[in-house]
Amino acid sequence: QQKVQQSPESLIVPEGGMASLNCTSSDRNVDYFWWYRQHSGKSPKMLMSIFSNGEKEEGRFTVHLNKASLHTSLHIRDSQPSDSALYLCAASVTSGGNYKPTFGKGTSLVVHP
Amino acid sequence: DPKIIQKPKYLVAVTGSEKILICEQYLGHNAMYWYRQSAKKPLEFMFSYSYQKLMDNQTASSRFQPQSSKKNHLDLQITALKPDDSATYFCASSRDRVSNERLFFGHGTKLSVL
Repeated sequence: QQKVQQSPESLIVPEGGMASLNCTSSDRNVDYFWWYRQHSGKSPKMLMSIFSNGEKEEGRFTVHLNKASLHTSLHIRDSQPSDSALYLCAASVTSGGNYKPTFGKGTSLVVHP
Repeated sequence: DPKIIQKPKYLVAVTGSEKILICEQYLGHNAMYWYRQSAKKPLEFMFSYSYQKLMDNQTASSRFQPQSSKKNHLDLQITALKPDDSATYFCASSRDRVSNERLFFGHGTKLSVL
């Protein structure tokens, strides 16, 4: 069964700082990596996705992917208190009709003013 | 304006009872899912449906039974409730059941079993 490992478990950064979150999958058949953000008491919402090697940037958020090592990272620059949330990494595989997006335990980010 | 409606938002049940969690999506999606999240465990996949057909079941216990009466409905019946079932149950949907389709989540039903 695929496992998605995230690190660190928790992270505290000052406002305006850079937050770096990591995620690795154990399944070599992973097609897509996703990053979801879940504010306290709310449901997860998709932040970014990546499926090819390299980097993707959207505003203050940058995602990297190394397919050889099945490792993705999310970097948040100029972090804001509103970025404080649980960041969930998900990996999805579609093979043999068995599609099951699997989530990691998440990284709890706190941005303090 | 929520496009995935879960009812109820909060639910308190006694051990041994039975409850049904309701989910309706108005996104026109073909795939629907149930996930569970608790303090002890991460967001955990339970079931996936595609065009009202059960595609994947990762829940070991038969006490959890999904029910799909219409393409945009996926309810979850839980019988013989245990305190360990206490969690937030999220319904989700995607356009289709393939890797490049993102999941949209409902607001969740927070279940407490006493």
